[in-house]
Order: sequence, then C-alpha cells, then structure tokens
Amino acid sequence: AQSVTQLGSHVSVSEGALVLLRCNYSSSVPPYLFWYVQYPNQGLQLLLKYTTGATLVKGINGFEAEFKKSETSFHLTKPSAHMSDAAEYFCAVSESNYGQNFVFGPGTRLSVLP
Amino acid sequence: NAGVTQTPKFQVLKTGQSMTLQCAQDMNHNSMYWYRQDPGMGLRLIYYSASEGTTDKGEVPNGYNVSRLNKREFSLRLESAAPSQTSVYFCASTLPGNSNQPQHFGDGTRLSIL
Repeated sequence: AQSVTQLGSHVSVSEGALVLLRCNYSSSVPPYLFWYVQYPNQGLQLLLKYTTGATLVKGINGFEAEFKKSETSFHLTKPSAHMSDAAEYFCAVSESNYGQNFVFGPGTRLSVLP
Repeated sequence: NAGVTQTPKFQVLKTGQSMTLQCAQDMNHNSMYWYRQDPGMGLRLIYYSASEGTTDKGEVPNGYNVSRLNKREFSLRLESAAPSQTSVYFCASTLPGNSNQPQHFGDGTRLSIL
C-alpha cells in the first residue's frame, strides 16, 4: 500500500524567501502525486498534480513541484513567499485513477513572517 | 457558484446522540467522498460513492453510515456518537475520469462529542 511522509509539521519562512515543503512517498507502481492547500476554516484546494509526462509540474499561485523517482520525492517550492501563502499543505499519492487508494500525508503548516 | 455545500458548519453532541451531516454539490459530479481530519493525521476516507446508488467503505468506516440520496447529495450519519468521533468532517466531489481524486471540497463540519 502506498504512503506519504511530509518532513516538518510546521515550516516558517520570511516573506520573500524560498518556500520548500518536503514530500516523500512509497508506492509499488508509478504514482500519481498531488499537493493540496488548506486555508483556515476552509476545505482543501488542489494546487497541482503529477500523473505522467513532464516531471516539473506548475500549479496555481506560483507553486511548482518536481517528481524525482530516484528519490521518491515530490517537494513543493515557490521562489518568493507571500503572506497569503500561510496555510496548511498536504501531499497525496494514488496508485491509479480509480478505487480507494488515494492517501493524504499528515500535512505541513506554513507560516510566513513579515 | 456554490460548489460543495456542507451543513451544519458546527455541531456539539452528547455521547450516544445521533445526527446526519449533509452534503450537496451542484457540479454534476459522479463521485463524492466523506473524510475526517484530525491533527497530525491528514485526511482519512470514511466512505465514498463512485456514482448515484453506490457506496463503499474507506479507511475508517466504523461508527458511520452514508446515503447517496441522488446525484447531488451524499449524507453521513452517526448513529450513536462517541468522543472519538470528535473531528472536522469534509465532503468532496470529483470530475468524471478522476474518480478517486477529490477535487472540490466543502468548508467542513466541526463536530464535538462530549
């Protein structure tokens, strides 16, 4: 069964600094990978996803993630943090497009300091 | 432009009481989901419905029942609430062709069991 780990339950960056949120996965087959963002008192929003093809995936709000098979990683980055990026971020993995095998990581809370 | 609507937003119950959480989507999506979110654990799937008239258990179904009333509505029922069911509950739906990838989330129901 697939699983997801997110290193760091809480990450703090200064406004304008690089954002790096780490995600590592385990999967027995080529995975589908996702990042979601959750703002306070709201549901999750899909930021970006990797299914097949180009390993560098661009999402909304200036975020991007790179699938590295050799490292089993799908880290989320943004060159310059904005105050509005403060939220909780969830990585997720799926082994197919159907069924129940869609698993969320535990989440990383991003704080952006002025 | 409602998307996924959940009611109620907040609820406090006593142990042993029952209640139904309501969810409706207006995007004509086939697949709908119920998740619970607990600190440090990400989202865990309770039940999902791939289409009207079908429901399947997810990772943590014990203590819950669901009903897919029609294509729009997917309700979650707690027959005899327990303190361990204190959580934030999210309903989600997804586009055809992405049937296990939740894409649109409601804003959640915050449920406390005393």
